[in-house]
Amino acid sequence: KNQVEQSPQSLIILEGKNCTLQCNYTVSPFSNLRWYKQDTGRGPVSLTIMTFSENTKSNGRYTATLDADTKQSSLHITASQLSDSASYICVVSANGATNKLIFGTGTLLAVQP
Amino acid sequence: NAGVMQNPRHLVRRRGQEARLRCSPMKGHSHVYWYRQLPEEGLKFMVYLQKENIIDESGMPKERFSAEFPKEGPSILRIQQVVRGDSAAYFCASRAGNEQFFGPGTRLTVL
Repeated sequence: KNQVEQSPQSLIILEGKNCTLQCNYTVSPFSNLRWYKQDTGRGPVSLTIMTFSENTKSNGRYTATLDADTKQSSLHITASQLSDSASYICVVSANGATNKLIFGTGTLLAVQP
Repeated sequence: NAGVMQNPRHLVRRRGQEARLRCSPMKGHSHVYWYRQLPEEGLKFMVYLQKENIIDESGMPKERFSAEFPKEGPSILRIQQVVRGDSAAYFCASRAGNEQFFGPGTRLTVL
């Protein structure tokens, strides 16, 4: 069964600190892995997309890694800001014409001053 | 260049009524996806449409739910005879290449 699991479920950090979020998946055949940020009451916004051959990708203070052998990914946030408070969702796309996405349940991050 | 638009943003219906959710994709996009997010759960794929065609509806309940994306106008997700379990946030996304861009969602509450 295609699944995406994330940990931790929630996380509280102080402003300025770094954090790392984890994602494990069992999607096959694999096409790509994305990380989305979802603010409360809003739609998800894409942060990074990585294909099978990519190990790491950065977008500003966000750095995603991918290990396709162990089927694990991480999202590292550097120098957190209050505006980083949101749900971070790991999403995997199965290989196929429909580009259907399989979502994890997200990590709820709270950045406190 | 407006993003993906959804309306209404909030919809309240009584059990047994019909709900119609609209999605206007980004300009030039002809692929639309609908997702449902139940409380405390991740988004779940419902249906994938191109203009005038349903490509994949494997995630949509067989009864009461239907979707369309006409040649002109927005994509519509229609839920007939709503029940309390239909209360959720419904998101649509339009696609360009490998990327999907999400709308702000419609929050449906069934009383």
